[in-house]
Amino acid sequence: AQSVTQLDSQVPVFEEAPVELRCNYSSSVSVYLFWYVQYPNQGLQLLLKYLSGSTLVKGINGFEAEFNKSQTSFHLRKPSVHISDTAEYFCAVRPNTGGFKTIFGAGTRLFVKA
Amino acid sequence: DAGVIQSPRHEVTEMGQEVTLRCKPISGHDYLFWYRQTMMRGLELLIYFNNNVPIDDSGMPEDRFSAKMPNASFSTLKIQPSEPRDSAVYFCASSASHLGSYNSPLHFGNGTRLTVT
Repeated sequence: AQSVTQLDSQVPVFEEAPVELRCNYSSSVSVYLFWYVQYPNQGLQLLLKYLSGSTLVKGINGFEAEFNKSQTSFHLRKPSVHISDTAEYFCAVRPNTGGFKTIFGAGTRLFVKA
Repeated sequence: DAGVIQSPRHEVTEMGQEVTLRCKPISGHDYLFWYRQTMMRGLELLIYFNNNVPIDDSGMPEDRFSAKMPNASFSTLKIQPSEPRDSAVYFCASSASHLGSYNSPLHFGNGTRLTVT
């Protein structure tokens, strides 16, 4: 079975500051990793995904994440945040051995202050 | 591409009533998922279908919950009878497998906010 732990439930940050949202996962098999963003009253949208290859993946809106197999982590980063980045961010894991069952973390609420 | 379409956006009902949530997946997607989101439990996978066939319903909380997918473009999630603890946002998502690969992301609808009083 897989599990996902998002270490921070809320992250307040000032506009134009860098931010890191932390995600650790547990799995006995190799996995695909995803970050999704949820704006108020909307569904989740894909930010980026790690399937294989380069451990640094770039996504939309200037976000990037780094896969670290030894630490089973997939932290999300942005060098300079904007007010419009205020949203909830979800890390998710899916076994790459077949099937679409995707497990989500509890989410991290990013609040960008002016 | 119209995306995943869910209806209604909001549903308020009284305890004991039947509730039906609807979903139209993205055309061509062969997987459909129902998730429930609450503050206490986060995002929970309830059930998912492949080519209209239920594959895993282990997340369905009770027999009061049922889901169907009569064709590739329509699915329903029914709660009968509804209870206040069923209040949550219910999301439908779809995805596509390609040549046996399962690396495509999920595409979510905007959800149905259910309130049971």
